[in-house]
Amino acid sequence: ETGVTQTPRHLVMGMTNKKSLKCEQHLGHNAMYWYKQSAKKPLELMFVYSLEERVENNSVPSRFSPECPNSSHLFLHLHTLQPEDSALYLCASSQSVGGGYNEQFFGPGTRLTVL
Amino acid sequence: AQKITQTQPGMFVQEKEAVTLDCTYDTSDQSYGLFWYKQPSSGEMIFLIYQGSYDEQNATEGRYSLNFQKARKSANLVISASQLGDSAMYFCAMREGGTGGFKTIFGAGTRLFVKA
Repeated sequence: ETGVTQTPRHLVMGMTNKKSLKCEQHLGHNAMYWYKQSAKKPLELMFVYSLEERVENNSVPSRFSPECPNSSHLFLHLHTLQPEDSALYLCASSQSVGGGYNEQFFGPGTRLTVL
Repeated sequence: AQKITQTQPGMFVQEKEAVTLDCTYDTSDQSYGLFWYKQPSSGEMIFLIYQGSYDEQNATEGRYSLNFQKARKSANLVISASQLGDSAMYFCAMREGGTGGFKTIFGAGTRLFVKA
């Protein structure tokens, strides 16, 4: 396994469903991120974890619930989503959350469609 | 206020020619980093190049170079000798130093089309 992996790659769910997105990084990084990429909008940072501790919740609705059981895994639990939540959800990791040079490595994303 | 501005929604370039993708940024921090990412249709964001605010030389990585003009707050990406595989979305991003250092802010992106 290399880099950052995400599963599933595609997900279709109804508004009453509960599902989870999974992200795994094999880079030995200490920081992990969830981003949302909607059509025609800039990438939006959702959550940041540093050493399994959440350091940022960027005003994300509670129907999105992140979980970071260890520094290699990050989950995004979804429940009672809305159609406007349909987007590409990208996971990323970096060596740390410190400023300056801290290149983020991205996974391939999960394309989510909410019906 | 928009922190990262990419004014070109789409750009066309002939194969083997050079192309410049524009990016301007806004920050009051003295310490910051500027990044360019490429996103092919597969969705994955691929890191291309980095420029630190204190770097005096423009960054270069293979066919990619960053034209950094600090006073104008611009960080344009130059791709030389374009290839068909360069067709993708390109995002400019900034990470500020200090307490907001873990936030990387992305621009809206520029879609590049390379013509054969």
